[in-house]
Amino acid sequence: GAVVSQHPSRVICKSGTSVKIECRSLDFQATTMFWYRQFPKQSLMLMATSNEGSKATYEQGVEKDKFLINHASLTLSTLTVTSAHPEDSSFYICSASRPGWNTGELFFGEGSRLTVL
Amino acid sequence: GDSVTQMEGPVTLSEEAFLTINCTYTATGYPSLFWYVQYPGEGLQLLLKATKADDKGSNKGFEATYRKETTSFHLEKGSVQVSDSAVYFCALSESGANSKLTFGKGITLSVRP
Repeated sequence: GAVVSQHPSRVICKSGTSVKIECRSLDFQATTMFWYRQFPKQSLMLMATSNEGSKATYEQGVEKDKFLINHASLTLSTLTVTSAHPEDSSFYICSASRPGWNTGELFFGEGSRLTVL
Repeated sequence: GDSVTQMEGPVTLSEEAFLTINCTYTATGYPSLFWYVQYPGEGLQLLLKATKADDKGSNKGFEATYRKETTSFHLEKGSVQVSDSAVYFCALSESGANSKLTFGKGITLSVRP
């Protein structure tokens, strides 16, 4: 069964509003989670690395103030798209590394499709 | 920086055909290599992995061998099924825990009955 879960799976919002996406590790404590963005027919682009109890590390070109990441507990990371615009419409995917698994394997959530009208 | 290059898609095959999906990489160190699969409507899931040169990862009839000399990790299956229709991503991770994954563009495989 799934070990990482995202919610909501689909969300539609109006331009200018903010949307929060949750990512939970279900049966392990994830000190590190990763947020990816997937464009149609393209690869996953890493947006940021989320570390529990500290600030997220953003990849070059990703706006920190637009994509707010909070990793307040060992099982929950949230991505908030602030003042969303149509160009923010995309598929957002979170993943987590499992403590003790040092091969680099990640466990992925089901993804959240955001549509901004 | 690290990068992963996959062959262009999409790929359409008949059931029981042989499958090869090419993947090459560039990395500064000695990465672990992965194939992830994304079935329609689902999240990515690990298909197989190899953590050092000459290792062969295998799962569900799929295989891939870590070739350091050619920096490749090609995915193969001898006889594909309709249920193998999905998007396949090659990825690498530099060694160590909490290392981020670098993905290729992914390739869509469609298998027709």
